[in-house]
Order: sequence, then structure tokens, then C-alpha cells
Amino acid sequence: DAGVTQSPTHLIKTRGQQVTLRCSPKSGHDTVSWYQQALGQGPQFIFQYYEEEERQRGNFPDRFSGHQFPNYSSELNVNALLLGDSALYLCASSLIRAGAVYQETQYFGPGTRLLVL
Amino acid sequence: AQTVTQSQPEMSVQEAETVTLSCTYDTSESNYYLFWYKQPPSRQMILVIRQEAYKQQNATENRFSVNFQKAAKSFSLKISDSQLGDTAMYFCAFLEYGNKLVFGAGTILRVKS
Repeated sequence: DAGVTQSPTHLIKTRGQQVTLRCSPKSGHDTVSWYQQALGQGPQFIFQYYEEEERQRGNFPDRFSGHQFPNYSSELNVNALLLGDSALYLCASSLIRAGAVYQETQYFGPGTRLLVL
Repeated sequence: AQTVTQSQPEMSVQEAETVTLSCTYDTSESNYYLFWYKQPPSRQMILVIRQEAYKQQNATENRFSVNFQKAAKSFSLKISDSQLGDTAMYFCAFLEYGNKLVFGAGTILRVKS
């Protein structure tokens, strides 16, 4: 049973460029959440996708956008990169059961390390 | 907004001994979920244990157990028989209604031989 996978593992970009990060959820999961983790800090919620729509969003600017595909995989796009966007980007997948108030436990991928120069 | 506080930036423990990591949180909700995640230097965030707030019984997973005090909004993690492989950053996290995780700042745990 494949876990959550992310690509690429590392990425180096320059200020002003755009980047796309990819995530494939754990088998059987339908929901993908993205988190940004700055060095030495806890992850911060960016947004969550369910049924191909952004379901909830954290306090991140519109430069951060995403997409979910019919196979539940997801992309995170960041435009006009800033130095402060350098971080580990984590994807987590989970399952929202019909009628449930809360989703199931979130399982994380290995992350993509983004360095903006 | 919910907040999660981990007051111990770093801790160390001798191999085979027991260590407790502290976590407090703030919420007005009555039902919620709490988690401990482990992040080793390899950076993969791994689920350690999960607690549902409506369950009074403390969760246990092998050498890992929690002390959940709902009234005090406290959720500590106890690691028994510590092993070198337990060396990692440990994050306490709160599952907020609407399904986003709110993380604490983390505690670095070093297990010494």
C-alpha cells in the first residue's frame, strides 16, 4: 500500500519565478492538505482540497494556489516567489467519510524542500 | 483561533529511560482530536498517537502513551523505554473543526546512549 508521495524532493528557484509541487495521496484517501514548514518551526496550513475544490484556506496570499485532479492527486503552485517562501512543503492526505464531522487522520508525505535564491 | 503550545524546545533522555513531552492547547470546542507527530531528521512526518476528546481513556500505542486532561487542556506524550530511533522533533497538533491541523512549535528529543 503506497503512502503519500511528493515530487520533487528538492527544488531551487530564484525570486520572481513560479513553482509547482505535486502530491499523490495514500491509496483510498480523497482529501489533500498542504502545509508550509519553515526551518525549526511547526507546519502552517496552506489549504485543503476535496472533490477537486478548495475546501479551506489558511492565512496565505493568493500567490499560493492549488488544484486537485479526479484521481485525487494535487498540485501546489506558488507564483512570484519570495525569499521567505523557502521552506519544506508538506502534503497530507486523509479520508472524509460521508456524514462524518471530522476527517480521518492525516498522513504526511516526505515533503519538498524549496530554496528561493 | 485554536493555539497549541509546547513549552519544551529541547529535551534529552538516556536510552531505556522514560520521558514526557508537554503540550497545552486552547479551544472553545467540546469535541476535537489531538495528535502527536514525530519528524526525524529525514523530515518525514510520522503519526505517533491520536486522542479523541470525547474518549476519557488515554490512548496508548506500544511504548507511547498520552496523559489527556481535557479540563486543563493538556495533552502530554510519555515515551517509555526510549530508543535511539526515537530521536526526532515531536509535534503536538490539534485538529480544528473544518479539518485543518494546528501544530505546536515542536520539541526536539535527543536519546543518548
